[in-house]
Amino acid sequence: DQQVKQNSPSLSVQEGRISILNCDYTNSMFDYFLWYKKYPAEGPTFLISISSIKDKNEDGRFTVFLNKSAKHLSLHIVPSQPGDSAVYFCAASAVRGTYKYIFGTGTRLKVLA
Amino acid sequence: KAGVTQTPRYLIKTRGQQVTLSCSPISGHRSVSWYQQTPGQGLQFLFEYFSETQRNKGNFPGRFSGRQFSNSRSEMNVSTLELGDSALYLCASSVSAPQGEQFFGPGTRLTVL
Repeated sequence: DQQVKQNSPSLSVQEGRISILNCDYTNSMFDYFLWYKKYPAEGPTFLISISSIKDKNEDGRFTVFLNKSAKHLSLHIVPSQPGDSAVYFCAASAVRGTYKYIFGTGTRLKVLA
Repeated sequence: KAGVTQTPRYLIKTRGQQVTLSCSPISGHRSVSWYQQTPGQGLQFLFEYFSETQRNKGNFPGRFSGRQFSNSRSEMNVSTLELGDSALYLCASSVSAPQGEQFFGPGTRLTVL
C-alpha cells in the first residue's frame, strides 16, 4: 500500500513559468513532510520541509503548501529554471521524532528553455 | 565538510550470494538510514540506526540486515541475493535532533544476475 503518492510521473514546464508538483498521502499520522530533488547518478538532495502545524513554507523560489484536510501537499517552483530539471520526491515522517521517512515514487520535471 | 560516502559504487553479484554495502555518514551525524530505490517504486525505507541501535525498520525480509559502529559508520548486508534485489541502495545521515533533513550519499548500484 503506497502511503505517499505522486500521481504524475512527469511534468514539462517552460522556463520562467511556475512548476507545481503534487503529492498525496493516506496516513493521517504523518506530521512532517519534505521534498527532495534527485539528479541522475547522485543521491537525493533536500529542498524544503514543512511541519503539520504549518500550511506553507517558503525558501527562495521554492514554496511548499500543506492541506491537511485533503492530505495533500504541493511544491511550487517560481520561476522555473532549466537547472531545476530533475526527479522530485516528496517524503513523510511515519514515526514521530525519528527519521523513518516514507517516500513517493517521484515526478520527473523537465524545464524547457 | 565531507558528504556521505558509500562504497562500492557499483556491484555485480549472482543469485544466492551475499553482499555488504558500506556507508560513512557526515562527521557528527549519528543517525544513518538505508533506502532501496527501484524503478517505479521510489525510495523504500529499509532501516535506521542511531548510536549503534536499530531504531526503525521497514517492511523487508530478514535477508536484509544492518549494523552501525561506534564511529557511526554503517553497513548493510543482504544474504541469499535474489534477482529482485537489483536496485540502487541509498544511505542517508542526519544529526541527532529528531526529524529534519537527511543527507544522502550517491548510492551503491547492485545488479544481481
